[in-house]
Amino acid sequence: GENVEQHPSTLSVQEGDSAVIKCTYSDSASNYFPWYKQELGKGPQLIIDIRSNVGEKKDQRIAVTLNKTAKHFSLHITETQPEDSAVYFCAGNFGNEKLTFGTGTRLTIIP
Amino acid sequence: DTEVTQTPKHLVMGMTNKKSLKCEQHMGHRAMYWYKQKAKKPPELMFVYSYEKLSINESVPSRFSPECPNSSLLNLHLHALQPEDSALYLCASSQASQTGELFFGEGSRLTVL
Repeated sequence: GENVEQHPSTLSVQEGDSAVIKCTYSDSASNYFPWYKQELGKGPQLIIDIRSNVGEKKDQRIAVTLNKTAKHFSLHITETQPEDSAVYFCAGNFGNEKLTFGTGTRLTIIP
Repeated sequence: DTEVTQTPKHLVMGMTNKKSLKCEQHMGHRAMYWYKQKAKKPPELMFVYSYEKLSINESVPSRFSPECPNSSLLNLHLHALQPEDSALYLCASSQASQTGELFFGEGSRLTVL
């Protein structure tokens, strides 16, 4: 099946700084790339998504960029806050009904 | 608050027990899913129901038996589980198939003794 590599696995940033998480894939068939945030003791929650016909999408402090040629997409969080601390998963649907999740990034915001 | 409700939140069972996990959504979604999540790992798809019919079974052992009584409810029946089945079981729903947003419940944390 399709693999989605996600880096880094852990990330610590000072409050107010930016955080960037990257995902790469090998199958070109995906047309949908969501990002999920999972807080401790909760289920994942969609925070932003991007479709393959768009190169960038922004929602307040969160942005996602997609480079289909290079087969990678990234999550950018600016002006980080303590409540941004969580595990983040990228995902893609590679030509079928299934979402394939990345391995996850544990983001810690240092006050 | 999540609009996908899972019960129970915690379950401890022995290897000979029979138990069920329940999931309910009232968003009118026609696709519902069961995922298994081990600690520090991403969710792994187990089953997909589309319009109340099982459309994907990811080669899950028969000791896990899904059931979709109607478009709002999804059950996962558990029997003769193994300790390695201990995990967080997540239910999710979406408007149709997995090309749109998945709405996850908070999960049922299962411990098999």
